[in-house]
Amino acid sequence: SQQGEEDPQALSIQEGENATMNCSYKTSINNLQWYRQNSGRGLVHLILIRSNEREKHSGRLRVTLDTSKKSSSLLITASRAADTASYFCAHSGYSTLTFGKGTMLLVSP
Amino acid sequence: GAGVSQSPSNKVTEKGKDVELRCDPISGHTALYWYRQSLGQGLEFLIYFQGNSAPDKSGLPSDRFSAERTGGSVSTLTIQRTQQEDSAVYLCASSLVTSGGTNTGELFFGEGSRLTVL
Repeated sequence: SQQGEEDPQALSIQEGENATMNCSYKTSINNLQWYRQNSGRGLVHLILIRSNEREKHSGRLRVTLDTSKKSSSLLITASRAADTASYFCAHSGYSTLTFGKGTMLLVSP
Repeated sequence: GAGVSQSPSNKVTEKGKDVELRCDPISGHTALYWYRQSLGQGLEFLIYFQGNSAPDKSGLPSDRFSAERTGGSVSTLTIQRTQQEDSAVYLCASSLVTSGGTNTGELFFGEGSRLTVL
């Protein structure tokens, strides 16, 4: 399978803490993306990092990419209860996007 | 509408019946994807359409599954002789492809069609 893997599968933290999720993949990539899914809803794109980039920021999100290790991390700083959701990484070759199984994040008030 | 629209949002059917799920992508998006998500699982790629090119059907799990995209816009995913293991949320997504043919990457998802096969 070319599917990526997220780690941890589940993460429970308190509001204000930082949350770090990791993703590994197996193939060469064009870019790597992170998506968020609230329970029972569709996925929403968060951030895209290209294969020639090492770090990218968007608001409270910070993504890193290490192509030599075929891994990426998503850091959410100063988490809020509203950040509770599942987070998926997805890696892209030329056309299709392959998703991992996701990390379920629970942020308690 | 401005987003990807899927219908029905919920479908309950009996084993052995055929079902059709519809996806209306964002206007101007030439790439369209179908994924399947089982309870608590990640997304399983099913099929990809890009413009007038032959679709990438490599993810379809069996010949009971088929999809078409008419006029480069609306897509229909058909599941024939449904089985209980087909129960899942079927997600459609569209994306913009640049004039150079490279996928810009960001997928816009619909809310999904939840299929329950009894």
